[in-house]
Parts: sequence; structure tokens; C-alpha cells
Amino acid sequence: GAGVSQSPRYKVAKRGQDVALRCDPISGHVSLFWYQQALGQGPEFLTYFQNEAQLDKSGLPSDRFFAERPEGSVSTLKIQRTQQEDSAVYLCASSLAGGYNEQFFGPGTRLTVL
Amino acid sequence: GESVGLHLPTLSVQEGDNSIINCAYSNSASDYFIWYKQESGKGPQFIIDIRSNMDKRQGQRVTVLLNKTVKHLSLQIAATQPGDSAVYFCAEKIMGYGNKLVFGAGTILRVKS
Repeated sequence: GAGVSQSPRYKVAKRGQDVALRCDPISGHVSLFWYQQALGQGPEFLTYFQNEAQLDKSGLPSDRFFAERPEGSVSTLKIQRTQQEDSAVYLCASSLAGGYNEQFFGPGTRLTVL
Repeated sequence: GESVGLHLPTLSVQEGDNSIINCAYSNSASDYFIWYKQESGKGPQFIIDIRSNMDKRQGQRVTVLLNKTVKHLSLQIAATQPGDSAVYFCAEKIMGYGNKLVFGAGTILRVKS
């Protein structure tokens, strides 16, 4: 596919479970971003990778959130011991590089924690 | 699908009219601004961008205006169509804060046929 893909599209977890969300960026894109979007709000930055290096994780809300991009392509966002306030849409975006390059967004994963 | 903007301000326009969506920002170090369109169940889609050294940029049916004096950004959509109905977000990149985007609250645009 030509765009950013994310899986699963929907995830329901019981409180306390661990989840893993996957992002496949556009081929060749160096930069990868994760955002969290609560219902009725704009996306909020979580973390940023340049290739395999995680250069900015200032938006991760707690140490229960962990992201990786080991080979500089696919990325996984992991949330441990999920809580109800983690319910949101998790968006992944990629761009050719940082700076003023357009960020292309995937469709997001809607996480619901019961 | 479920709306992404249940509590956002709403702009209702008649099909064929022009739409103006506004956004205020607070950080004078912001040097790059982008407008995104988000339809229900989808990720944000790039519409148009502008750098801080410009005050106007035009695309196909869209124009972005930047007023740095009052820290205000607007998106003008000409001849609005039903397919323009969506939530619109402005986003900014703040110099010195890396490559992340900071998004505004969003505006729902409803086009009446």
C-alpha cells in the first residue's frame, strides 16, 4: 500500500492487560511519530523516531508506555497494565525527514479499556 | 462511524458558499503551520501548510492566512462542497521543540446541500 497502515484498527482490553499497537510507515520515510487522540480533541504528541533512534519521548504519559522501532521501519507502541484513561485513538505518522516535511497519518487504532 | 469531534465548535455553511475556519496559537516561536482535515474513522489528512516567513499561501480551493502579530491562522475554503464536511485542525511546529506537531482543538465543518 502507498500509505501508513496501522493494526489492529480496533482493540478492546480489560483494565490491567498489556497491548501492542503496530505501525507500518510509508517505505523510505525516516521519521515516525506516535500521537494520542482522545474523543473530541486534537492529536497529542507521544514520541518521535528518526530511523531506529527514539529522539523524543517527552509526550509519553507514564512509564507504562513504551515504543520501539528496532530496524528503522515498523514501529510498535506498547502499553502495559492498561487503564481506562488510556482509551483513545492512537495515530501513527511518518515523513521523509523531520523539519518541514509533511507528516502522513495512518487511520489509527481505537483502544477501548474496560 | 463515530465522530471525532463531539464537543468541538461547529461551522455550518451552505454548499457553494465560502468557509472560513480560524485558529489561534500562543507560541511566538512557532515557525510552521499546517491545516489537517479529519473525517470520521480516519487519520488527519494534510490540506495546506505555511511557514512563518509568509502571510498567505494558496492551494486548490483553499487559502491559508497567517497573522503573526495577533498569532492567528485561518483556512478559507472556496465553493464549499459536501465532501468538505469533516473536522479541521490547525497544527504548529515550535522552533526548538523538535519535529512534533502541536494540534489545536479542531472545528467541525458541516456543509448543507
